[in-house]
Order: sequence, then C-alpha cells, then structure tokens
Amino acid sequence: DTEVTQTPKHLVMGMTNKKSLKCEQHMGHRAMYWYKQKAKKPPELMFVYSYEKLSINESVPSRFSPECPNSSLLNLHLHALQPEDSALYLCASSQDSSGGTDTQYFGPGTRLTVL
Amino acid sequence: GESVGLHLPTLSVQEGDNSIINCAYSNSASDYFIWYKQESGKGPQFIIDIRSNMDKRQGQRVTVLLNKTVKHLSLQIAATQPGDSAVYFCAEASPYGQNFVFGPGTRLSVLP
Repeated sequence: DTEVTQTPKHLVMGMTNKKSLKCEQHMGHRAMYWYKQKAKKPPELMFVYSYEKLSINESVPSRFSPECPNSSLLNLHLHALQPEDSALYLCASSQDSSGGTDTQYFGPGTRLTVL
Repeated sequence: GESVGLHLPTLSVQEGDNSIINCAYSNSASDYFIWYKQESGKGPQFIIDIRSNMDKRQGQRVTVLLNKTVKHLSLQIAATQPGDSAVYFCAEASPYGQNFVFGPGTRLSVLP
C-alpha cells in the first residue's frame, strides 16, 4: 500500500480565514513533506518533517504553519493567505531510512483557492 | 514532435510507438533520480527510480537511462498507450537528501 490521503480535496477561503489541510499515511514512513504546485509548474518543497521534527523549512512565509501530531499525520495551518497562494498543495511521505535517499510517495493534493 | 516555449514542453507520439522523455539535471553531486507521472487533477505518481551507481533500470514498459557524464536522464515508454498521456517530471536528490528538485516537466500526448 503506497497511499497518502489528503483532505479536503478542494478548499476556497478568504484572506481573513483560518483553515487547515490534512495529510495521512499508514505506510510506517517517518518523513513527511508539504509541496506547493502552481499550474504548469513542478512541485516546490515547502517543509519536511523527519521523525516528527521539522527538518527543512524552505523559507516559507509564516502564514503557512506546519504541524506533525504523530508519525502518520501532517497538517498545514493556513492564516491570512494571499490570492497568489492559490495552488495545489501536495503531501508526500518516505521511509527516511539510513540507507540513502528514499522514494517519496505523493497524495492527490488539495486544490486551494484564496479569494 | 517536441515543442518548448511559453507552455509546458509537449511530446506527441502515435499510440503504439515508443516515447522518449528527456531531462537535464543540474547537480553533479545528485545520486538519486526519479520519474513521476502526473495526470490532470492528481498528485505525482511514482514510475521508476535509479541511483547513480547504475546507468539503466527497467520496469514494466518503462526504462530509465542515466548519463552522469552529461547530466542527462531519460524515460523510455514502450508501446505508448492513451493512458500514458500525462505530465512527466524528473527529480534529483543529493546523497541522503530529502529535498527533491524537480525538472520543468514534459507533457506527453498520445495520438490515436
């Protein structure tokens, strides 16, 4: 099973709203990721959690706040977003083994629209 | 044929033909490479990967070739089918890296 699930599938929010994106995996993976993808562009890394600790933050604005409650769950809290933050937000997970770089498996994404 | 411009590069092939999608990577220290397929409205789907100690790896109907000398990666799809129509991304990572750097992507269009 290589399934990563994300909710909601679609989200429309105003610039003053607070919302959260959720991601879940049950593959026993210990690394989880948030990516942002604009139309016709490749995914861009935002955050990496390794063993439930934030290991990479790619200089993402503070209006995006990640959270990893446990090894299977990853949240992305959104507050005071801008219209240019509208994008597909992808979650991924990988083993995070000591044997080298591991394959990242992606979820279906949340299509976010900021009005 | 292949076209590059303001839009995503597109490769058009006839159904049943073989497809070759190319990717130039930037970091000579990268040691892990991966191909993803992304259909409209979906997340990237793993196709095949290769590590730098290999120059070729085969899967079901797909082959990845790695040329470290010229930092080039290619994905070959045999007997291309309509279901292969999608955007294909290559990605590279440095040793033990978690930061996958994606290429710009190529749209594969399969003609009947």
